[in-house]
Amino acid sequence: DAGVIQSPRHEVTEMGQEVTLRCKPISGHNSLFWYRQTMMRGLELLIYFNNNVPIDDSGMPEDRFSAKMPNASFSTLKIQPSEPRDSAVYFCASSLWGTTGELFFGEGSRLTVL
Amino acid sequence: QQQVKQSPQSLIVQKGGISIINCAYENTAFDYFPWYQQFPGKGPALLIAIRPDVSEKKEGRFTISFNKSAKQFSLHIMDSQPGDSATYFCAPRDTGNQFYFGTGTSLTVIP
Repeated sequence: DAGVIQSPRHEVTEMGQEVTLRCKPISGHNSLFWYRQTMMRGLELLIYFNNNVPIDDSGMPEDRFSAKMPNASFSTLKIQPSEPRDSAVYFCASSLWGTTGELFFGEGSRLTVL
Repeated sequence: QQQVKQSPQSLIVQKGGISIINCAYENTAFDYFPWYQQFPGKGPALLIAIRPDVSEKKEGRFTISFNKSAKQFSLHIMDSQPGDSATYFCAPRDTGNQFYFGTGTSLTVIP
């Protein structure tokens, strides 16, 4: 099993630019989560989907952030325009809701906004 | 909303010692109580988990103790090894499949 696949692994961009992070969950999983991790704020849930439907996006910082899950095998997190305070590691995780519910995390996308 | 309180923030233990990390929660709708382990540069990974109908679960050197009435659960690492040095998170889950991660505990095991 390939696990959760995230891209890019590293992204360096300038303030004001659009950033798109991508995630491919584990095949067969029906829940997908986007987290952000920083030293100051720890691991924060941004949004999660059950069966491709957004369930809770209350963690999305502001309108600059948007997430989509057009099908069961792909999700994107977009930041437009990006700001230096968005610099963090963004994790995608998936799980099979209705079972043990173990969360499987990707390796993360490290974003640096200059 | 701070539904989960994890302590301590950091922990230094000698090799062979016992590491204990605690997690207190408020939401009685939590139905699954996992601990995740994260190494630098990696995503968190499930270490061990317990359901609320048992009070203890042991897997090798790792044990979860669960106290439902006190709304607390803890991770015990016996015979701690330098390879256990990592950040640990408790992350209880509610019935809507949302996980609530603690603030993390940085464990350092000194050889």
